[in-house]
Amino acid sequence: EDQVTQSPEALRLQEGESSSLNCSYTVSGLRGLFWYRQDPGKGPEFLFTLYSAGEEKEKERLKATLTKKESFLHITAPKPEDSATYLCAALDTGRRALTFGSGTRLQVQP
Amino acid sequence: NAGVTQTPKFRILKIGQSMTLQCTQDMNHNYMYWYRQDPGMGLKLIYYSVGAGITDKGEVPNGYNVSRSTTEDFPLRLELAAPSQTSVYFCATRLVQDTQYFGPGTRLTVL
Repeated sequence: EDQVTQSPEALRLQEGESSSLNCSYTVSGLRGLFWYRQDPGKGPEFLFTLYSAGEEKEKERLKATLTKKESFLHITAPKPEDSATYLCAALDTGRRALTFGSGTRLQVQP
Repeated sequence: NAGVTQTPKFRILKIGQSMTLQCTQDMNHNYMYWYRQDPGMGLKLIYYSVGAGITDKGEVPNGYNVSRSTTEDFPLRLELAAPSQTSVYFCATRLVQDTQYFGPGTRLTVL
């Protein structure tokens, strides 16, 4: 059974304090690893897709990386507007829908 | 181009009532999905469709039904509402590429 686990559940940072969010996954064959941002009361907003180990993608203060068992979302010098829940999801080659982790709630304090 | 729209935004139901959650997309995407998200949890797949006339069950289909008569619409039906169905429901779409795009959600409370 596909499984996606995210840690930590919650993270509080000071503005400018860099950190990383972890996503570990167990699938029979990874077709893609996805990161989404979700603001309170909103639907998930797509951030990145990673397809193979060693791949990296960046967007502003965010960088996502992928290994054979984990993905990391690195947040460099975060700002209060980066506060949100970050969701990780995996797509197995044999399936047609994503398996989601339970998310990391990030709070960045000024 | 509105993307994925969902109605209603909020709804309160009594136990045993029925309702339909609407999802419409204008992106001509083949795949459509229904997820539920309970507080502090990830998204659980209820049903999905790979095209008009084709639907299939996800992880948590019990108590729900779907239909897909057109590419644009993918309604989710609750026949006998139960408190366990209190949740936020998200519709999502996908074209051939793997990225799923989500609607704004419907917050449902069953009392």
